[in-house]
Amino acid sequence: AQSVTQPDIHITVSEGASLELRCNYSYGATPYLFWYVQSPGQGLQLLLKYFSGDTLVQGIKGFEAEFKRSQSSFNLRKPSVHWSDAAEYFCATSGDTGTASKLTFGTGTRLQVTL
Amino acid sequence: DAGVIQSPRHEVTEMGQEVTLRCKPISGHNSLFWYRQTMMRGLELLIYFNNNVPIDDSGMPEDRFSAKMPNASFSTLKIQPSEPRDSAVYFCASSFGVAIGNSPLHFGNGTRLTVT
Repeated sequence: AQSVTQPDIHITVSEGASLELRCNYSYGATPYLFWYVQSPGQGLQLLLKYFSGDTLVQGIKGFEAEFKRSQSSFNLRKPSVHWSDAAEYFCATSGDTGTASKLTFGTGTRLQVTL
Repeated sequence: DAGVIQSPRHEVTEMGQEVTLRCKPISGHNSLFWYRQTMMRGLELLIYFNNNVPIDDSGMPEDRFSAKMPNASFSTLKIQPSEPRDSAVYFCASSFGVAIGNSPLHFGNGTRLTVT
């Protein structure tokens, strides 16, 4: 079964600093991968997705992620963090399908931004 | 577009009481999903509907949980009787179809349920 692992439970960065959130996937074939953000008291919002093709994908709010098959990783990056980026971030996979019912979420990384 | 609307935002109830959570999906979306989020288990899919028909309810934890979708614009998740371990945030999400490559999931703001 597919799964994703987010090794960092909590990360703190200074505003303006760069950010990288880690996600490792476990799946035999190339999986469908997603990053979601959850602001306090809100539902999850899709930041970006990867299915195939270019391994560097651009998302909303200035985020990008890079698929690296050799490392089984799909890390989320942002060159300069804003205080409004403080939230919880979830990596997810649906295996080799693009089916919502097969979505499996990681445990999340909580991002704190200091001014 | 009002987004996915869930009610109530917060629900506090006593053990043994019936709880009903409500969801209005985005107009035009024909797939609806109920999720539960807890610290211990993270985000879990409970059940999903396509064209108002329940497709997969294997995530529903027990017979105390039931969900209905009487029409395209309304769904309920009911817990009867409720127990303290049901305390969680329950999310509803909708999409056009189940292929999220074409239509992403849109989540509501959730219902925080506390059972004392």
